[in-house]
Amino acid sequence: AQSVTQPDIHITVSEGASLELRCNYSYGATPYLFWYVQSPGQGLQLLLKYFSGDTLVQGIKGFEAEFKRSQSSFNLRKPSVHWSDAAEYFCAVGAVSLTAGNKLTFGGGTRVLVKP
Amino acid sequence: EAGVTQFPSHSVIEKGQTVTLRCDPISGHDNLYWYRRVMGKEIKFLLHFVKESKQDESGMPNNRFLAERTGGTYSTLKVQPAELEDSGVYFCASSQDRVGVRETQYFGPGTRLLVL
Repeated sequence: AQSVTQPDIHITVSEGASLELRCNYSYGATPYLFWYVQSPGQGLQLLLKYFSGDTLVQGIKGFEAEFKRSQSSFNLRKPSVHWSDAAEYFCAVGAVSLTAGNKLTFGGGTRVLVKP
Repeated sequence: EAGVTQFPSHSVIEKGQTVTLRCDPISGHDNLYWYRRVMGKEIKFLLHFVKESKQDESGMPNNRFLAERTGGTYSTLKVQPAELEDSGVYFCASSQDRVGVRETQYFGPGTRLLVL
């Protein structure tokens, strides 16, 4: 069974500083991976995804993530954080099944607080 | 293009009552998913529809939960009778890809359910 671990429950970062959120997954085959963000009072918004190919993927809002198969990781980064990046971030792994659905397995989330 | 919508945004009910949540997927999306996040836990898969058929309902917690998708458009999730542990945020997601391929799911804003 697949699983996702986000080791950091909370992260506080100063505005303008860099941000890195960790994500480790366990999956028996080649995974496909997502990062979603939930801003206060909002739903889940897709930031970026990795299906195959280039292991460094670019997303919206200046975010990027790097897939490292050897480390089973898919860490999310942003070079310079803005106050509007304060939110909860979720890493997810998808399973491809010809018979069942393509359900996502989520990590527990990392809540990011941005200091002025 | 309108995104996934969910109604109501919030619901507060007493234990033993019935609540029905509604999800309208993105137009043309055959796949519809329900997920749930109970307090402090991960977002967990509940079930998956392809059009009006249940493809995978392995995540449904018990028979107090009933999901329907008549006509393959919107879906409802009924909880009857509601228990305290049903409190949480219920997310709906949709995608247009075929089962068996990697897909991107788009999420709605969620329904926040509180059972007192």
